[in-house]
Amino acid sequence: EVQLVESGGGLVQPGGSLKLSCVASGFTFRDYWMNWVRQAPGKTMEWIGDIKPDGSNTNYAPSVKNRFTISRDNAKSILYLQMSNMRSDYTATYYCARGGITPFDYWGQGVMVTVSS
Amino acid sequence: DIQMTQSPASLSASLEEIVTITCQASQDIGNWLSWYQQKPGKSPQLLIYGATSLADGVPSRFSGSRSGTQYSLKISRLQVEDIGIYYCLQAYSAPYTFGAGTKLELK
Repeated sequence: EVQLVESGGGLVQPGGSLKLSCVASGFTFRDYWMNWVRQAPGKTMEWIGDIKPDGSNTNYAPSVKNRFTISRDNAKSILYLQMSNMRSDYTATYYCARGGITPFDYWGQGVMVTVSS
Repeated sequence: DIQMTQSPASLSASLEEIVTITCQASQDIGNWLSWYQQKPGKSPQLLIYGATSLADGVPSRFSGSRSGTQYSLKISRLQVEDIGIYYCLQAYSAPYTFGAGTKLELK
């Protein structure tokens, strides 16, 4: 069974940093593109970015470029999202989602991030 | 960026009724269109991928279609468990973009 479990969320002050993790199981993690998506309260979803299976290439949404960094550890089957210089409008539930031929087929349960002083 | 215009924003329907939700892409995205159902406090669940393919375990009352750059999700006979918010997603070109969502309620 494919499982994606995010962690690392919480309260962070504006301008602060936070690192999210997504532990994958039930599939060969190193074979898949992986994505991060966020959803502000009551809003639709916003794609943040993705990372190639071997970690050699990443793509980001313009709204987070130069603030967020996606990385992965294929030996541990973990996807990361490093967020810096955070703003209040980054308050959202953050999801990791599997990519590939059937993109965004599996999602984690999500982790809440609140940016507030 | 590719814009996905989803309609309607909300929909009230009766049990066993046919429901249709549409997404209009601002440019050609081929069949790189997926549909998701989201229930309160839960992550999105894949219903349809490749515009018309039913995801594993999804009831056959759900179907997807495409006409040019317009995509539709049809629920043939609405059931109680179908209540939720539905989203489309284009995964043709980054940044991948979602529709604004359709809130489906029981009449």
